[in-house]
Amino acid sequence: DVQMTQSPSSLSASVGDRVTITCRASQDISHDLGWYQQKPGKVPERLIYTASTLQSGVPSRFSGSRSGTEFTLTISSLQPEDSAIYYCLQYKTYLWTFGQGTKVEIK
Amino acid sequence: EVQLVQSGAVVKKPGESLRISCKASGYNFATYFIGWVRQMPGRGLEWMGMIYPGGSEIRYSPSFQGQVTISADLSITTTYLQWTALEASDTAIFYCARGAIWGAPSFGFDYWGQGSLVIVSS
Repeated sequence: DVQMTQSPSSLSASVGDRVTITCRASQDISHDLGWYQQKPGKVPERLIYTASTLQSGVPSRFSGSRSGTEFTLTISSLQPEDSAIYYCLQYKTYLWTFGQGTKVEIK
Repeated sequence: EVQLVQSGAVVKKPGESLRISCKASGYNFATYFIGWVRQMPGRGLEWMGMIYPGGSEIRYSPSFQGQVTISADLSITTTYLQWTALEASDTAIFYCARGAIWGAPSFGFDYWGQGSLVIVSS
């Protein structure tokens, strides 16, 4: 099974800061990775798929990138409404796996 | 409009059986995988498994294999997640979500149900 190691587990940043979250896959998953945002008490929502394609309607401050088996979600200028937990999901293999999640808090 | 509407919250006792549902509409139900995701209180998302309603393919995470059963009824465009003997540790929110089209590249889960809260307590 593919393991997804997500880091950090939590972070605190100020409005306007650039924030980076990373997921590392235990094996090659090509670009078959998505990023999801979950706000408290809400259903997860997809932000990015195929590592770097922005979901329609998602603000352009969100972006994704891939370098080998390392995937990055970047928020270019953190906004108050970005306070949430972010998860990566690999869907390359027969069995899919989520990362452990990153809690983003606003200072 | 694609919609996944899940059954409501339930409270069950340990040892009881349960089946929760996810009714799909707004797309060709037979052609997309539907997955189930567990979220225990205060914890992250866990991929449990998924089913291709138009065929016989069902996939289970090793963590959930033998613990739950995923099924589907094409005639009513509904997917199910079932337990035969609940445990307190099954207390969680369970989400259904639409996955890949059979035989086509996947893009992960694009649409999600609203979640079904299951509380198992004596």
